[in-house]
Amino acid sequence: EDQVTQSPEALRLQEGESSSLNCSYTVSGLRGLFWYRQDPGKGPEFLFTLYSAGEEKEKERLKATLTKKESFLHITAPKPEDSATYLCAVQGDFNKFYFGSGTKLNVKP
Amino acid sequence: DTAVSQTPKYLVTQMGNDKSIKCEQNLGHDTMYWYKQDSKKFLKIMFSYNNKELIINETVPNRFSPKSPDKAHLNLHINSLELGDSAVYFCASSQKPGWGYEQYFGPGTRLTVT
Repeated sequence: EDQVTQSPEALRLQEGESSSLNCSYTVSGLRGLFWYRQDPGKGPEFLFTLYSAGEEKEKERLKATLTKKESFLHITAPKPEDSATYLCAVQGDFNKFYFGSGTKLNVKP
Repeated sequence: DTAVSQTPKYLVTQMGNDKSIKCEQNLGHDTMYWYKQDSKKFLKIMFSYNNKELIINETVPNRFSPKSPDKAHLNLHINSLELGDSAVYFCASSQKPGWGYEQYFGPGTRLTVT
């Protein structure tokens, strides 16, 4: 069964405390793995697309990496404004998208 | 300038009523989607249209009917609303339906059925 699992469900960090979020998937025919950020009451906002194992993408304090079965979103020296829910999505066969349930990140000053 | 817009943002209605949600994108994209986000925050795809043609039709009750009058618009009509339909509904668009094109989401419509 095609599935995307994210961990942890919630993560509390102190400002400046680096950490990583995990996204593991069992989706056939990987066409792309996507990371989104979702703020309360808003729609998901696109961050990165990764296409193949070994690929990495960076944006400010965020860095996404991809292996054959999982992706990591590394957050370096986070700030309170990085607090949000981070969603992982995988596009598989027939162009379908499968989303994980997200990791809710709370960065305290 | 809003890329993907939805109306209304909030919708409160009673069981048995019929309601519609409208979506418009000004990105020039070919493909549009409807998603349902439940209380556990899972986003589940419901439908997708490419150039007004239905290309993804997941297992949803046939009370839900999408309509795409042109490639910039995708509406969702729901008949005989039930309590379990309460959720946040998101519209999204992507340049193409195929390989690795990211999706851009609207702000969501929170539907509450009482």
